[in-house]
Amino acid sequence: AQSVTQLGSHVSVSEGALVLLRCNYSSSVPPYLFWYVQYPNQGLQLLLKYTSAATLVKGINGFEAEFKKSETSFHLTKPSAHMSDAAEYFCAVTRPGGSYIPTFGRGTSLIVHP
Amino acid sequence: EAQVTQNPRYLITVTGKKLTVTCSQNMNHEYMSWYRQDPGLGLRQIYYSMNVEVTDKGDVPEGYKVSRKEKRNFPLILESPSPNQTSLYFCASSLSGLVGTGELFFGEGSRLTVL
Repeated sequence: AQSVTQLGSHVSVSEGALVLLRCNYSSSVPPYLFWYVQYPNQGLQLLLKYTSAATLVKGINGFEAEFKKSETSFHLTKPSAHMSDAAEYFCAVTRPGGSYIPTFGRGTSLIVHP
Repeated sequence: EAQVTQNPRYLITVTGKKLTVTCSQNMNHEYMSWYRQDPGLGLRQIYYSMNVEVTDKGDVPEGYKVSRKEKRNFPLILESPSPNQTSLYFCASSLSGLVGTGELFFGEGSRLTVL
């Protein structure tokens, strides 16, 4: 069975600083991986996804993530944090060829200080 | 506008009083699912549906029921709510439940408090 682990329930950065949110996965086969963002009082929306094409995936709002098979990681980064990036971020994994039942991580709350 | 609509958005009820949270999507999606979100636990799947008349349990189905009589609707039923069902609930849909590359579209959430 697949699973994801998000390291750090809270990450705090200053505006303009690098954002790094960590996600490690466990899967018996190369997975499909997703990052979703949840802004306050809203539902989740897709930031980006990896589906076995390019290992460096670019998403909305300047975010990107790199699939590293050797490290079983899919960390989310953004070069320069903005106040509007403050939100909850979820990593999710599904199994290629299987039914679409994604497994979500517990989420990381990104706090951006002025 | 493509969307997943949940109602009610906020509800306070008492133990044992049956309630239904409705979910409707206008994207002709086959796959629909319910999640609950609790602090420190992230998103946990309650039930999902691959298509009309096809439903299955997720990770935390106890105390909940669902039905999928029409493609667009997937209501969540709490027959006898208890305080441990106080949570934030999300409905989500995707084009297909058979291919794992699709995007999940989420509703805005329903915050339920059971006293």
